[in-house]
Amino acid sequence: GAVVSQHPSRVICKSGTSVKIECRSLDFQATTMFWYRQFPKQSLMLMATSNEGSKATYEQGVEKDKFLINHASLTLSTLTVTSAHPEDSSFYICSARPPSGSSYEQYFGPGTRLTVT
Amino acid sequence: AQSVTQLGSHVSVSEGALVLLRCNYSSSVPPYLFWYVQYPNQGLQLLLKYTSAATLVKGINGFEAEFKKSETSFHLTKPSAHMSDAAEYFCAVTDTGGFKTIFGAGTRLFVKA
Repeated sequence: GAVVSQHPSRVICKSGTSVKIECRSLDFQATTMFWYRQFPKQSLMLMATSNEGSKATYEQGVEKDKFLINHASLTLSTLTVTSAHPEDSSFYICSARPPSGSSYEQYFGPGTRLTVT
Repeated sequence: AQSVTQLGSHVSVSEGALVLLRCNYSSSVPPYLFWYVQYPNQGLQLLLKYTSAATLVKGINGFEAEFKKSETSFHLTKPSAHMSDAAEYFCAVTDTGGFKTIFGAGTRLFVKA
């Protein structure tokens, strides 16, 4: 089946530094990838939609200068949290959607736990 | 605008008992509906999906869900709960444009021995 990986699975960084999270579709090409944020015991909040070769579309209230998204290839999207602060600590999950098919199914990565100290 | 409501943030059942997780949706266009399961510190795994074919959808691990347009519901059921079913379950809706998926708040399923 379709597999999506994320790296790293956990990261701890100091306040003010930047952190990059990678999302890869391992066995299919993904023209569209999504980035979600999940707070403890809460649902997924869509942050942005990433399309290969174009600028990401950010959801309302998500700071595009803080959460930089790059979808450089059909198998890789990156999320960079710039100048991280403790309130950015969260579980970040990406998903990827194959270009073909009509079911609009997404395949999710295992998530990245970010802790900002 | 689309929305998803999951009734009950927590559901507790005994092992071997029926599992029923409720989901109601709101959509102005025919929706695609999904159930996902999430184990601690992991991503989401697709259980099943409705894409306007059969209204009764069978998924993995013995789960199934029935799309009821008149009730705008897509409840998830499993005849006999297993300890390994304990997890967080999310109902989700995607419009037919497929641009965005909206997730419900989630229901945590507890299974008692």
